[in-house]
Amino acid sequence: AQSVTQPDIHITVSEGASLELRCNYSYGATPYLFWYVQSPGQGLQLLLKYFSGDTLVQGIKGFEAEFKRSQSSFNLRKPSVHWSDAAEYFCAVGEGFTGGGNKLTFGTGTQLKVEL
Amino acid sequence: DAGITQSPRHKVTETGTPVTLRCHQTENHRYMYWYRQDPGHGLRLIHYSYGVKDTDKGEVSDGYSVSRSKTEDFLLTLESATSSQTSVYFCAIKKRDRQETQYFGPGTRLLVL
Repeated sequence: AQSVTQPDIHITVSEGASLELRCNYSYGATPYLFWYVQSPGQGLQLLLKYFSGDTLVQGIKGFEAEFKRSQSSFNLRKPSVHWSDAAEYFCAVGEGFTGGGNKLTFGTGTQLKVEL
Repeated sequence: DAGITQSPRHKVTETGTPVTLRCHQTENHRYMYWYRQDPGHGLRLIHYSYGVKDTDKGEVSDGYSVSRSKTEDFLLTLESATSSQTSVYFCAIKKRDRQETQYFGPGTRLLVL
């Protein structure tokens, strides 16, 4: 069964500092990988996704993520964090298309706090 | 914006009461999903639908049922609510792209007393 591990429950960074959120997955085939962000009291917003091809993917709000098959990782990065980036971040892995409906498995999330 | 609304947005109910949550979409997507979100667990799939009257179970389906009589509506029912079902419930749709991307509604916060 597929699984996702986000080893950092909470991370605090200073505004303007760089950020890396870790995500490790377990999946037998080539995964579909996603990062979502959730602000307090809100739904989940898609930041970026990996399907195939270039292993460095760009997303919204200046975020990027790199797929590393050898490490089973899909870490999220941002070179300079803004106070508005404070939120909870979820990594997810999706099954390949089966015709019967895909399923996403989520990590437990990383809560990001930004210090001014 | 994926054109998803959920109702109600907040609900307080008592143990043993039936509860139905509604997810409505405006873009005619085939696949719809119900997740629950709990601290320390992330989001977990309850049920999903791959067409009208076509549904399947997710990883935490016990105590829940679903129905989809129209493309635009996906209902989640708690037949007899329990305190363990206190959670935030999210509906999602899957758009027709190669990456199987899911987009989420705003959520329903349910408190079972």
